[in-house]
Amino acid sequence: AQKITQTQPGMFVQEKEAVTLDCTYDTSDPSYGLFWYKQPSSGEMIFLIYQGSYDQQNATEGRYSLNFQKARKSANLVISASQLGDSAMYFCAMREGRSTGKLIFGQGTTLQVKP
Amino acid sequence: EPEVTQTPSHQVTQMGQEVILRCVPISNHLYFYWYRQILGQKVEFLVSFYNNEISEKSEIFDDQFSVERPDGSNFTLKIRSTKLEDSAMYFCATTIGLAGGKSYTGELFFGEGSRLTVL
Repeated sequence: AQKITQTQPGMFVQEKEAVTLDCTYDTSDPSYGLFWYKQPSSGEMIFLIYQGSYDQQNATEGRYSLNFQKARKSANLVISASQLGDSAMYFCAMREGRSTGKLIFGQGTTLQVKP
Repeated sequence: EPEVTQTPSHQVTQMGQEVILRCVPISNHLYFYWYRQILGQKVEFLVSFYNNEISEKSEIFDDQFSVERPDGSNFTLKIRSTKLEDSAMYFCATTIGLAGGKSYTGELFFGEGSRLTVL
């Protein structure tokens, strides 16, 4: 069974508009962490945002926010005011437990920002 | 800003050859990882390393793979006899560790990756 599911293989967004990238997860561990990474065409993995399972508030980092709905097991990434440089592959990932850096990644969503 | 560095950025090798990929972690980080990404696919965990030993490994990490930290700075991934299906981007990642062996629950820092092409 997939532990991390990203159902949108590709997304388009107009420059300056907001976009939501979906991510659902599956775990029975009460302690877990959720991550979003950006991978531009150059290949590096860029950390965007982190949400811990016990965090009361949704995480925000600049133009990135994480819409964490624990009961639904979803952790959608919202990018506000999209920029051309946001065009990239975006990966959602989960870590189970609090003592490991082993991440389980989703299949990714390719985002293209249109001028 | 401190960063994880990886060498080489790209390596082309013949099937059956040994390959060593190198990573220099952030200096105060204690937990090290290798991940693999086959072209167009998701990133997959290979192995985690702490206190000079493997703490966890995936099914992908078979006897052809090994890791070590020979000199206290470099963290290496060795593939003994490469196969065509080993062609992928290999990412090193590190995270800070807290006293008592509890890992930090935040960011995992990735290097820029080493692209391995096996012919």
